[in-house]
Amino acid sequence: GDSVTQMEGPVTLSEEAFLTINCTYTATGYPSLFWYVQYPGEGLQLLLKATKADDKGSNKGFEATYRKETTSFHLEKGSVQVSDSAVYFCALRGSGGFKTIFGAGTRLFVKA
Amino acid sequence: DAGVIQSPRHEVTEMGQEVTLRCKPISGHNSLFWYRQTMMRGLELLIYFNNNVPIDDSGMPEDRFSAKMPNASFSTLKIQPSEPRDSAVYFCASSPSGAGGITGELFFGEGSRLTVL
Repeated sequence: GDSVTQMEGPVTLSEEAFLTINCTYTATGYPSLFWYVQYPGEGLQLLLKATKADDKGSNKGFEATYRKETTSFHLEKGSVQVSDSAVYFCALRGSGGFKTIFGAGTRLFVKA
Repeated sequence: DAGVIQSPRHEVTEMGQEVTLRCKPISGHNSLFWYRQTMMRGLELLIYFNNNVPIDDSGMPEDRFSAKMPNASFSTLKIQPSEPRDSAVYFCASSPSGAGGITGELFFGEGSRLTVL
């Protein structure tokens, strides 16, 4: 079945450092790919998405590119801030489907 | 605009008691999902509804769990009897959808944190 694997955390960075959180997936067909972010005490919210191969999703300085050849959707940000501290979830949904499958989540700590 | 509204935000109960969690989806969203989040198992999809009809409940852990959606603006998740291993954060999410499935993102509520003693 479909699945998502993302790098284990926690990831601890200093402010203004470069961030990469790796995500790979297994799915048939052409799924849509997502990154969600969860701040403490809150629900998940969409950070960015991509719906077809080579699409780049971007939002708030975060970017991820849908790479079908490597089945990857890595999250990057050039300069993290303390306010980016949160848990990040990679997710996929099969084309024409209802189920969104989430990775285990990666906790990010950013130190001032 | 109001987002997905869940209640209660926190529930502490004793083993064996009945627990009812409530969700009001975003108006106009016709798909609704219940997820459970734990440290050990991450986010698990329990059940989802489309146009108030349960489509897939294969994630419901056992018969102690039940969910209903009597109308487009309200859903409940019930656990009876509750057990300590049910302690988790339960999220409700909604999304617009068509015949071909969901076209966009999930909108999550803030969750209901359940502790069963």
